[in-house]
Amino acid sequence: GAVVSQHPSRVICKSGTSVKIECRSLDFQATTMFWYRQFPKQSLMLMATSNEGSKATYEQGVEKDKFLINHASLTLSTLTVTSAHPEDSSFYICSARSVGELFFGEGSRLTVL
Amino acid sequence: DAKTTQPPSMDCAEGRAANLPCNHSTISGNEYVYWYRQIHSQGPQYIIHGLKNNETNEMASLIITEDRKSSTLILPHATLRDTAVYYCIVRTTPNTGNQFYFGTGTSLTVIP
Repeated sequence: GAVVSQHPSRVICKSGTSVKIECRSLDFQATTMFWYRQFPKQSLMLMATSNEGSKATYEQGVEKDKFLINHASLTLSTLTVTSAHPEDSSFYICSARSVGELFFGEGSRLTVL
Repeated sequence: DAKTTQPPSMDCAEGRAANLPCNHSTISGNEYVYWYRQIHSQGPQYIIHGLKNNETNEMASLIITEDRKSSTLILPHATLRDTAVYYCIVRTTPNTGNQFYFGTGTSLTVIP
């Protein structure tokens, strides 16, 4: 199946700093990518839909100024958590659609101290 | 969005078939049913999807009722490596973004 890669897989940062997570589709082009967040023992929550060359569409309750999404090319989307706080600590997962199926990255675990 | 409901947890003996049910009573005519699973601290893995007809692949079978209000994922011979959280998802239609909204899932434990 198609491969989606995320980087970094783990990141620890200090409160108030910004963190960027990259999501790449390695063997296919993705006009649309999705970003999810998952807290321990909970399901995945869709944060936003990332569209190549245009603004992301955010789900209700997700702060667009805090979670900046850029989808500059057909193979790369980035999520930047700005001014991170401990409550932003979570597992962030990206996904991209290829021929009807949704393929997920390995996830990025963010810990904000 | 069509919501799904699944039992929170299930056990299955190794080597036996695991049957995981899902209710999606508000599904619309052109929405697909997808199944994914997630092993701890990894990204979800695609299993199978369908619209109306039953589907089978090398991993599992998907049985969708005639009224499409429920479905069952069948793992024919469960192994210990099938222990995971299984998510039943209804994909929204193209004109609403083709998005995948996850429900709470079923935590399947395969017992030796």
